[in-house]
Amino acid sequence: QVQLVQSGSELKKPGASVKVSCKASGYSFTKYGLNWVRQAPGQGLEWLGWINTNTGYPTYAQGFTGRFVFSLDTSVNTAYLQISSLTAEDSGLYFCARDRHQWLIPEFWGQGTLVTVSS
Amino acid sequence: QSVLTQPPSVSGAPGQRVTISCTGSDSNIGAGYDVHWYQQFPGRAPRLLIYGNNNRPSGVPDRFSGSKSGTSGSLAITGLQAEDEADYYCLSLDRSLSGSRVFGGGTRLTVL
Repeated sequence: QVQLVQSGSELKKPGASVKVSCKASGYSFTKYGLNWVRQAPGQGLEWLGWINTNTGYPTYAQGFTGRFVFSLDTSVNTAYLQISSLTAEDSGLYFCARDRHQWLIPEFWGQGTLVTVSS
Repeated sequence: QSVLTQPPSVSGAPGQRVTISCTGSDSNIGAGYDVHWYQQFPGRAPRLLIYGNNNRPSGVPDRFSGSKSGTSGSLAITGLQAEDEADYYCLSLDRSLSGSRVFGGGTRLTVL
């Protein structure tokens, strides 16, 4: 069965960087796009962008270019989200999610990684 | 502020029917892009409920249905159950944002 397992919670100081991992199993990793979604505390879902797991080409939503970087290691079926120059506004639950077959929408989700930015 | 507008909250009694709207514009839903719906319980990952306006993934009860008309989409839940109490989000694409996916602001469903 499709599984996405994300790395554990992170506590970072302002200005630091964080790298969240998302390890996929149960399907052919390079056949489906991989999305990143954020949920700030008490807020709604926000699509950060997606990465083409076949080409490695990332697409970032408006407002998430520069400090946000999507990457892959296809040898271990893992996607990464790195965020640099963290501020308190980056705190939240970060999800990876695989596209549904033949649809450009997230269907299978990781459990989420809580990132807390605090001095 | 999302480009897709949902009511912040809706409520209904067990057994009733409720609907949740998702209002967009000519650059997203009105441009022909599909509407999709997710259910999320607090602290949990979202679950795809409806895709392509009115299709249910396997395992989703037929109490959940979707529709689309003009610049809006709608999620209907019939035979409301206590376990339906959750947050619901619509999703579409927006051509003014280079085809980015966009979520609605979310709707909290309360079962009275």
